[in-house]
Amino acid sequence: QQQVKQSPQSLIVQKGGISIINCAYENTAFDYFPWYQQFPGKGPALLIAIRPDVSEKKEGRFTISFNKSAKQFSLHIMDSQPGDSATYFCAAAINNRKLIWGLGTSLGVNP
Amino acid sequence: DVKVTQSSRYLVKRTGEKVFLECVQDMDHENMFWYRQDPGLGLRLIYFSYDVKMKEKGDIPEGYSVSREKKERFSLILESASTNQTSMYLCATTPPGSYNEQFFGPGTRLTVL
Repeated sequence: QQQVKQSPQSLIVQKGGISIINCAYENTAFDYFPWYQQFPGKGPALLIAIRPDVSEKKEGRFTISFNKSAKQFSLHIMDSQPGDSATYFCAAAINNRKLIWGLGTSLGVNP
Repeated sequence: DVKVTQSSRYLVKRTGEKVFLECVQDMDHENMFWYRQDPGLGLRLIYFSYDVKMKEKGDIPEGYSVSREKKERFSLILESASTNQTSMYLCATTPPGSYNEQFFGPGTRLTVL
């Protein structure tokens, strides 16, 4: 039973475009929503995270948008670069406990 | 910076062999995790440990065991490797009191023939 549903499975964008990856969840008790970035041959690394008391968090070109009523959150990558090509995972957690992972999105940015 | 190292980047074993995957962290973190990563299936938690000699089953513990004799070292054991255990294995660690920000090692690509 997938508690965090991530889409799309793969995504190709042009350099300079906006990449958008979406995640949906059911459990309203989730209180922490991170995004991890994984390059080929490396382990995932925390990219950006949000808590449900804010609707948006921005760090450089990366933004999380959070819609509590729709139980959805998304990652936006502005001005996408070839170096952003990676697999992105969303996740959710309750009260600092175990992370529940999405299945991942493979992003390719064409030069 | 947190450093998480895994004993091998690539490993090839035969069906029925006993396999040890080791993970070492240098940040004195209490919590350590073992995941396997398969295409289309994301990251699945096998076992985690919140202290020396303490362990809890994750979502897919069958066919695996773990050992944590020292705080910095967490081992994953495949008692009798099978071809369906061919996968990427990732170790992670988090600071005390938190499971949220996980620091991952580079992974071990295990192939069971």
